[in-house]
Amino acid sequence: AQSVTQLGSHVSVSEGALVLLRCNYSSSVPPYLFWYVQYPNQGLQLLLKYTTGATLVKGINGFEAEFKKSETSFHLTKPSAHMSDAAEYFCAVGLRDYKLSFGAGTTVTVRA
Amino acid sequence: DTGVSQDPRHKITKRGQNVTFRCDPISEHNRLYWYRQTLGQGPEFLTYFQNEAQLEKSRLLSDRFSAERPKGSFSTLEIQRTEQGDSAMYLCASSKGLDLSTDTQYFGPGTRLTVL
Repeated sequence: AQSVTQLGSHVSVSEGALVLLRCNYSSSVPPYLFWYVQYPNQGLQLLLKYTTGATLVKGINGFEAEFKKSETSFHLTKPSAHMSDAAEYFCAVGLRDYKLSFGAGTTVTVRA
Repeated sequence: DTGVSQDPRHKITKRGQNVTFRCDPISEHNRLYWYRQTLGQGPEFLTYFQNEAQLEKSRLLSDRFSAERPKGSFSTLEIQRTEQGDSAMYLCASSKGLDLSTDTQYFGPGTRLTVL
């Protein structure tokens, strides 16, 4: 069975500062990894995903994530936070079928 | 592409009542998924449909829960004899039904259920 652990349920950053959200996964086979964002009163939106190939994945809104097999990690970063990045972020793992297993989420607040 | 829609957005009910939620997927998406999200947790998979066939149900889906997708279009999720533990956000997602490497699950805004 696969699972993910998100380190830190809440992250607060200053506008313009680096955003770093941590995600570690557990899977018996090479997984597919995803980051979703959820804004208030909206559905989850896919930010980016890793399937195979290049380990540095670029997504929407300036976010990127790096798959590190040796560390079983898939941390999400953005060089410069914007007020509009305030949201809840979920890391998820899936195998080659359809089911996603989500982490507990990390809420990001951005200070002016 | 109008996105996944869910109705109602909020539902407050008394313990023991039955409730039904509706999900309209993106047009021509073959797969439809239901997830449940409780406070402070990520979404948990409940069940999914390939067209009108319900192909898997999670152990989280007790006998009080039933989901249908007649004609492979919209889906309904019914909870009978609701309990306070059923209070959660119920999320619906749809996708084209390809392998995860090329497929994307698009989520609706959810139905928030509160059982008093």
